[in-house]
Amino acid sequence: DIQMTQSPSSLSASVGDRVTITCRTTQSINSFLNWYQQKPGKAPKLLIYSASSLQGGVPSRFSASGSGTDFTLTVSSLQPEDFATYYCQQSYSIPLTFGPGTKVDV
Amino acid sequence: QVQLQQSGPGLVKPSHTLSLTCAISGVSVSSHGAAWNWIRQSPSRGLEWLGRTYYMSKWYSDYAVSVRSRITINPDTSRNQFSLHLNSVTPEDTAVYYCTRAGSRNYDFDYWGQGTLVTVSS
Repeated sequence: DIQMTQSPSSLSASVGDRVTITCRTTQSINSFLNWYQQKPGKAPKLLIYSASSLQGGVPSRFSASGSGTDFTLTVSSLQPEDFATYYCQQSYSIPLTFGPGTKVDV
Repeated sequence: QVQLQQSGPGLVKPSHTLSLTCAISGVSVSSHGAAWNWIRQSPSRGLEWLGRTYYMSKWYSDYAVSVRSRITINPDTSRNQFSLHLNSVTPEDTAVYYCTRAGSRNYDFDYWGQGTLVTVSS
């Protein structure tokens, strides 16, 4: 199985901050990496697919990059609605696996 | 617009079978290129993919090793839905269960059900 790690596990930020989250995999997954945002009591929401492509309707302050084993998600200017937990997920091979999450709070 | 609506009991007794259904609207469960998945989330295990079913001239299913001996995911083309059956449950199966769609684009989970908290307890 491909294992996923994320760092940091949590971070405190303020509105307007630039935030970067890192995801690493135990083997190369090319660009088969997706990012999700989850708010309490809600299902995860797809933000980024194929490592760097913005899902429709997602604000352009979200961006992502990477390939192989190292990936990043960046929020250029954090907004109040962005305080949430963020997960990466690999879609390269079965079983599909998720990172442990990064909680972004105030 | 694709929508997924989950239904099923929120409480299951130990050793019994957990059964959930995901009703699909806006697209056919038999769509080529789409796969229909079940994912669960618990504090101890995080987000855990359980399995999928998909149609590519015939029906296929894949399951996570952790539940392979206990799980079945079935499509129901007449009702345009799919189901999860997990037997011999224990309290460790307590989690929020989600149904999702994965498209052929990058196998990302682009549509999710609302989630069902299933508690395994006597």
